[in-house]
Amino acid sequence: EIVLTQSPDFQSVTPKETVTITCRASQNIGTSLHWYQQKPDQSPKLLIRYASQSISGVPSRFSGSGSGTDFTLTINSLEAEDAAAYYCHQSYILHTFGQGTKLEIK
Amino acid sequence: EVQLLESGGGLLQPGRSLRLSCAASGFIFSNYVMSWVRQAPGKGLEWVSSISGNGDTPYYADSVKGRFTVSRDNSKNTLFLQMNSLRAEDTAVYYCAKHGMVVVSPGDYWGQGTLVTVSS
Repeated sequence: EIVLTQSPDFQSVTPKETVTITCRASQNIGTSLHWYQQKPDQSPKLLIRYASQSISGVPSRFSGSGSGTDFTLTINSLEAEDAAAYYCHQSYILHTFGQGTKLEIK
Repeated sequence: EVQLLESGGGLLQPGRSLRLSCAASGFIFSNYVMSWVRQAPGKGLEWVSSISGNGDTPYYADSVKGRFTVSRDNSKNTLFLQMNSLRAEDTAVYYCAKHGMVVVSPGDYWGQGTLVTVSS
């Protein structure tokens, strides 16, 4: 099973900051890595597909990068509405999710 | 507009069975891979099972293999999850998710989920 490890588990940030969340895979997964946002009591929402491909309707302040085993989700100029949990997901071999990163806006 | 509506959740005792359904609309259902993903209370996301568009190829997480069966009725645009020998650790919100046409694609649309509680 491919294990995804996210860091940090929790981060408290102020509006307009830039946030970086990392996801490390236990083996090479190419670019079969996707990012989701989940707000409290809502279902997950796809933010980035295949490591760096943007999704229609998702604000441009969300971007992704990486390949192989190391991936990054960057949120530029953070807004209050970005308070949520963020998950990475690999689809290279079956599917697994990272443990999640909870983002708190001060 | 893509819509996914899960149903069938509830409270039941360990060892019992339950079948979840996910009614899909707004896309050509038979063209797309579908999945079940669960989330235990206060925890992260856990992939449970996926199925190919024609229903011929199911995939399962080790934690449910041999107990859960995924299926689909493309004539009724509905995805199912038959859950047998339920355990307390199966307690979670169960989401159905639509993927792309291949199993390696991400879940681009998700339902609102249905809660399954396994407790004596």
